[in-house]
Amino acid sequence: KAGVTQTPRYLIKTRGQQVTLSCSPISGHRSVSWYQQTPGQGLQFLFEYFSETQRNKGNFPGRFSGRQFSNSRSEMNVSTLELGDSALYLCASSLGAQGAGNTIYFGEGSWLTVV
Amino acid sequence: KNEVEQSPQNLTAQEGEFITINCSYSVGISALHWLQQHPGGGIVSLFMLSSGKKKHGRLIATINIQEKHSSLHITASHPRDSAVYICAPYNNNDMRFGAGTRLTVKP
Repeated sequence: KAGVTQTPRYLIKTRGQQVTLSCSPISGHRSVSWYQQTPGQGLQFLFEYFSETQRNKGNFPGRFSGRQFSNSRSEMNVSTLELGDSALYLCASSLGAQGAGNTIYFGEGSWLTVV
Repeated sequence: KNEVEQSPQNLTAQEGEFITINCSYSVGISALHWLQQHPGGGIVSLFMLSSGKKKHGRLIATINIQEKHSSLHITASHPRDSAVYICAPYNNNDMRFGAGTRLTVKP
C-alpha cells in the first residue's frame, strides 16, 4: 500500500510570504503529526492531529498552524515566513495516536527554503 | 541540560563491527522510538519500545525505564547501515528527539 505522501517536495519562498504543505497519510491511518528539522535545532515536534482534532502542539509560534480533513489528509501552514523557517518539514502517520503503542511512518519531507 | 542525550555524536566503524548507540532522557516516558535517517531526509522507524528488548534482524534495542536509558545495537555492521540514528522518547502526547548519532560503516 502507498506510503505517506508529502507535497511539494521542494519549494522556495520569500520572507513575509506564506506556505501550505500537504500530507496524505497511509490509508486507514487516523493520526498525522508534523515535525520540523533544521541543522541547528534538529528534529522538533510541531503538532499532531487525530480524527480532525489537534491533540498536541509543540513550542512554535502561532504562525505555524495545521488542520486535518475528514479523509485524514493534513495540511500545515506557515504565515509571514522568516529566514529561520527554512527547514525540512516531515509528516508522519500512524493508525492510532502518536506514541500510544503505534508505529509511526514518515513521509520523505518537504524542503522549504526562505530567501 | 538537554532532555534527551545521545552518544556518541559521530561513530565510524569497520564493516562487521558491533555498534552501540546510547540514549538517556530526563523525564518519565511511556514509549521510546529509534529512528533511522538516510541522506536525503527520509526517516524510518526502527523500533518502538516501552520495556525490555526488541530484535529485528541485526538490530537490537533495549530500554531500562527506571534508569531512563535506551541502547541501539547493530551486529555485523554493513556499509548500508550508514545513517543518522535518532532516539525519540514519548510522553503525554509529546515527542522529544535526540540530536542523533551519525554512523559511518566503512567496507
